[in-house]
Amino acid sequence: GAVVSQHPSRVICKSGTSVKIECRSLDFQATTMFWYRQFPKKSLMLMATSNEGSKATYEQGVEKDKFLINHASLTLSTLTVTSAHPEDSSFYICSARAYTGGLGNEQFFGPGTRLTVL
Amino acid sequence: AQSVTQLDSHVSVSEGTPVLLRCNYSSSYSPSLFWYVQHPNKGLQLLLKYTSAATLVKGINGFEAEFKKSETSFHLTKPSAHMSDAAEYFCAVSKANQAGTALIFGKGTTLSVSS
Repeated sequence: GAVVSQHPSRVICKSGTSVKIECRSLDFQATTMFWYRQFPKKSLMLMATSNEGSKATYEQGVEKDKFLINHASLTLSTLTVTSAHPEDSSFYICSARAYTGGLGNEQFFGPGTRLTVL
Repeated sequence: AQSVTQLDSHVSVSEGTPVLLRCNYSSSYSPSLFWYVQHPNKGLQLLLKYTSAATLVKGINGFEAEFKKSETSFHLTKPSAHMSDAAEYFCAVSKANQAGTALIFGKGTTLSVSS
């Protein structure tokens, strides 16, 4: 149980295009999802916190107009990288926090999406 | 602000020898602390977590960590390394003083295990 999926696992796009990444909690409901970015051989950096049905809260320095986050349901959050540029190339990882107390408010991480912008 | 410092960027051990991965934290309140493992091109797997219960926390795959408030440390140990333990390890602290908040990660420690 407590599985989080991300789609796609890998995407290559041209500079200037937009890319959507999906994060799904497969067997539990997630009121909150988090989006992290991981640079090569670096740590994970929190980008934003996404709550179902409300606007995402972005961390300082993260451009909300560039990284659009939508949390339309209790099992799906999407991250859209708009007008992507090579510096947006990174490994994007989401995590989902369980809605019910049975999973102890633990975060479960998705497998990540590797974005390469040419 | 919450932060964690992983004191070693790279640790190399021989198979069968003990593993010690060091993590110090900074927190303005009693923290929740976590250790995650990441294999190449994979997501994060929770090894163990401390949430103000027992200070010695046992996790999966034989790992354990001890919360030492006086030293602001949460070091990860394993008595005997296995080849499959080779991976990237991240120490993390909860961003806010409530369950299920976002995590602040350390920079990671690469564990290499030689035969």
